[in-house]
Amino acid sequence: KQEVTQIPAALSVPEGENLVLNCSFTDSAIYNLQWFRQDPGKGLTSLLLIQSSQREQTSGRLNASLDKSSGRSTLYIAASQPGDSATYLCAVSPSTGYSTLTFGKGTMLLVSP
Amino acid sequence: KAGVTQTPRYLIKTRGQQVTLSCSPISGHRSVSWYQQTPGQGLQFLFEYFSETQRNKGNFPGRFSGRQFSNSRSEMNVSTLELGDSALYLCASSLGGSDEQFFGPGTRLTVL
Repeated sequence: KQEVTQIPAALSVPEGENLVLNCSFTDSAIYNLQWFRQDPGKGLTSLLLIQSSQREQTSGRLNASLDKSSGRSTLYIAASQPGDSATYLCAVSPSTGYSTLTFGKGTMLLVSP
Repeated sequence: KAGVTQTPRYLIKTRGQQVTLSCSPISGHRSVSWYQQTPGQGLQFLFEYFSETQRNKGNFPGRFSGRQFSNSRSEMNVSTLELGDSALYLCASSLGGSDEQFFGPGTRLTVL
């Protein structure tokens, strides 16, 4: 059974800092890994999708890497801003091709002005 | 391009009642998945529908059911509601398979 762990559970940083969020998964037989952002009481916003054959993806100040063999992914946020404050979730889909996502519990990020 | 929409956004029910939630996927998307989010358990997969067929199901009791229509819109039904069913219910759509998934705003269900 796939299990996804995110460390740290919470993170508080001053504005402008670069930061790294970690995600690990137990079964390396994944199809892709997706990073999401969730604001309180809201739905999920897709940030980045990394296919299992890729090593990283970039979007603006965000960079996500994937090491499938070791079961790890990192989300790097450059020059953090107060608007980045949210919960960040990573999720993996199985190699079967189904759309089933297994989620971590998330990292709650607070960026202070 | 319109995103995933869910109705209603908020629901209050009492124990024993049943409820139906609706999800309209992004135009052209054929896969719809449902998730339950609670503070204790996080996000848990309920089921996935593709071309009107349930393709995968999570570990939830039979009180939770769903269906998908020919226009890809999906509904999920929960019968005999329990207090523990209080949660944010999210649906996600994708083109199919393990493509990028896009989530709706969710339906907040409160069971009293």
